[in-house]
Amino acid sequence: GQNIDQPTEMTATEGAIVQINCTYQTSGFNGLFWYQQHAGEAPTFLSYNVLDGLEEKGRFSSFLSRSKGYSYLLLKELQMKDSASYLCAVRDLYKLSFGAGTTVTVRA
Amino acid sequence: DSGVTQTPKHLITATGQRVTLRCSPRSGDLSVYWYQQSLDQGLQFLIQYYNGEERAKGNILERFSAQQFPDLHSELNLSSLELGDSALYFCASSVGTGGGNQPQHFGDGTRLSIL
Repeated sequence: GQNIDQPTEMTATEGAIVQINCTYQTSGFNGLFWYQQHAGEAPTFLSYNVLDGLEEKGRFSSFLSRSKGYSYLLLKELQMKDSASYLCAVRDLYKLSFGAGTTVTVRA
Repeated sequence: DSGVTQTPKHLITATGQRVTLRCSPRSGDLSVYWYQQSLDQGLQFLIQYYNGEERAKGNILERFSAQQFPDLHSELNLSSLELGDSALYFCASSVGTGGGNQPQHFGDGTRLSIL
């Protein structure tokens, strides 16, 4: 099975940087995904990591350490529209298991 | 717009009833996934179909069933509904079987309310 932990809530100021951590324990690992979900809307794909290291995509970066069962999502130059829930998801062979999500609130 | 279409957007029904949720995947996607999202449970994987065949199963109740049709659209059937089945039901699709770096693309969901 999968056990995925991420903080429940984080608050940051517009223009700042926020790092959302995700730790996982899995019976198998075949990649880690980050999704963004605004309240009442569909999750949208942000990033994918399967090898150790940092993947950068514009203002968003994601890091993975497989040996530590650890990932983080880094949001830079925060904007008000970044207020949302961020979901860490781990895949075993085919199935995605999602963490409970981290609600990020961006304040002016 | 993810390209995944779910209908209906909202559904209100009573306990004991049966409902069918429908999903059309993105053009070219062969896999369809169903998820349930409730306030206290987060996003829970229910079941995956690939090209008409069941591929993976998650925490899907026996009262729930799904199928994928030759045109690749999928339906999730929920029967003997209980108050606890009230949730947002998402469908997602991906190009292949779900391996590699293929992300799943989510539809807007069906909000099911049981009265």
